[in-house]
Amino acid sequence: AQTVTQSQPEMSVQEAETVTLSCTYDTSESNYYLFWYKQPPSRQMILVIRQEAYKQQNATENRFSVNFQKAAKSFSLKISDSQLGDTAMYFCAFQSSSGGGADGLTFGKGTHLIIQP
Amino acid sequence: DAGVIQSPRHEVTEMGQEVTLRCKPISGHNSLFWYRQTMMRGLELLIYFNNNVPIDDSGMPEDRFSAKMPNASFSTLKIQPSEPRDSAVYFCASKRQGYDTEAFFGQGTRLTVV
Repeated sequence: AQTVTQSQPEMSVQEAETVTLSCTYDTSESNYYLFWYKQPPSRQMILVIRQEAYKQQNATENRFSVNFQKAAKSFSLKISDSQLGDTAMYFCAFQSSSGGGADGLTFGKGTHLIIQP
Repeated sequence: DAGVIQSPRHEVTEMGQEVTLRCKPISGHNSLFWYRQTMMRGLELLIYFNNNVPIDDSGMPEDRFSAKMPNASFSTLKIQPSEPRDSAVYFCASKRQGYDTEAFFGQGTRLTVV
């Protein structure tokens, strides 16, 4: 079974700063997907960014980028020019490829990110 | 599309009562998932369906929990009888088949059992 670990329960940074959220995972599979989800106080789960394990190039989405280190089984999220609206819980998640994607996500416990004005 | 629709948004019930949570997936999505979120355990996968068929219910905590998907546009998660420790946010999510497709989540149902 896969496990996902987020070692930072809470982080706080000033607006406009850059912040990096950590995530490590454990799997014996060679191909899989990794995701970062954002959960604001509204409770809605919003996909921020995703990375396929076979792709060496790190994914980027505007101010969000990842540092994917497959050998180290590490998948960190970098938020540049942080904004007040980035305040939320952030979850790292693993998707196995073995079930054709029909099985579910394995989530980390989350990091509560607070952006201070 | 309206997205994944869950009802109710909030449910407060007394211990011992039956609770039914409902989910309408996005049209065309053939995989459906039920997750539970608590402070202690985070987000846990309870059960998932593929083409309306339950594939893995190993995450269902007890026999008090059951889930059905009678057709492609509707699923229910039932707890009978409910207990205070069942209090949590329950999410439904759906996706198209394929491991590279995105799962879309509903707004969740906050269940409080008193």
